[in-house]
Amino acid sequence: GAGVSQSPSNKVTEKGKDVELRCDPISGHTALYWYRQSLGQGLEFLIYFQGNSAPDKSGLPSDRFSAERTGGSVSTLTIQRTQQEDSAVYLCASSLGDSLGNRNTIYFGEGSWLTVV
Amino acid sequence: SQQGEEDPQALSIQEGENATMNCSYKTSINNLQWYRQNSGRGLVHLILIRSNEREKHSGRLRVTLDTSKKSSSLLITASRAADTASYFCATWGASGSRLTFGEGTQLTVNP
Repeated sequence: GAGVSQSPSNKVTEKGKDVELRCDPISGHTALYWYRQSLGQGLEFLIYFQGNSAPDKSGLPSDRFSAERTGGSVSTLTIQRTQQEDSAVYLCASSLGDSLGNRNTIYFGEGSWLTVV
Repeated sequence: SQQGEEDPQALSIQEGENATMNCSYKTSINNLQWYRQNSGRGLVHLILIRSNEREKHSGRLRVTLDTSKKSSSLLITASRAADTASYFCATWGASGSRLTFGEGTQLTVNP
């Protein structure tokens, strides 16, 4: 598609339930990122996928968070047993991320607003 | 404190005035980027400046980078009410795989 697409755009869930957030990156982008943004705050890095390399999961806040990227394209961020502190906007982004290691511009989706009640 | 800190945290100016936002960072970088975020929306990339560049222009935007001081500034000239948004600087470390964001500057341009 023309841009990074995320779904759902809004999700309200009960504490303890699992949620899945989906990201469809820009076609041809090999790098995909997930960030989290709490209200009025900056962006917190969660995870980074680059091609077929092992993902950088160092930003995931707990083992309740996991992410996968199937076929080098679509990614799903899963939060198990959601807690109220998980409420935030979850932003996905993608970039070309070429093999020379040049750090290209990152393009963001509109985000998935998660509210845990 | 984290990589990429902006100041001021909030800035309020009149339409037509210039707005300057600053960003400081701690570690060596490959590049520094500025993003804009309208309330409740995703981030929009504004400009990227590489570590070997000192100044870059894009329309009404001017970005400077001083790697010796580990700082950058974003200047928006002749501001408009539509420029009201949060502005974030983000750094890509020389050996890193992530873009690290600051807390942002909330800019309000009053008509």
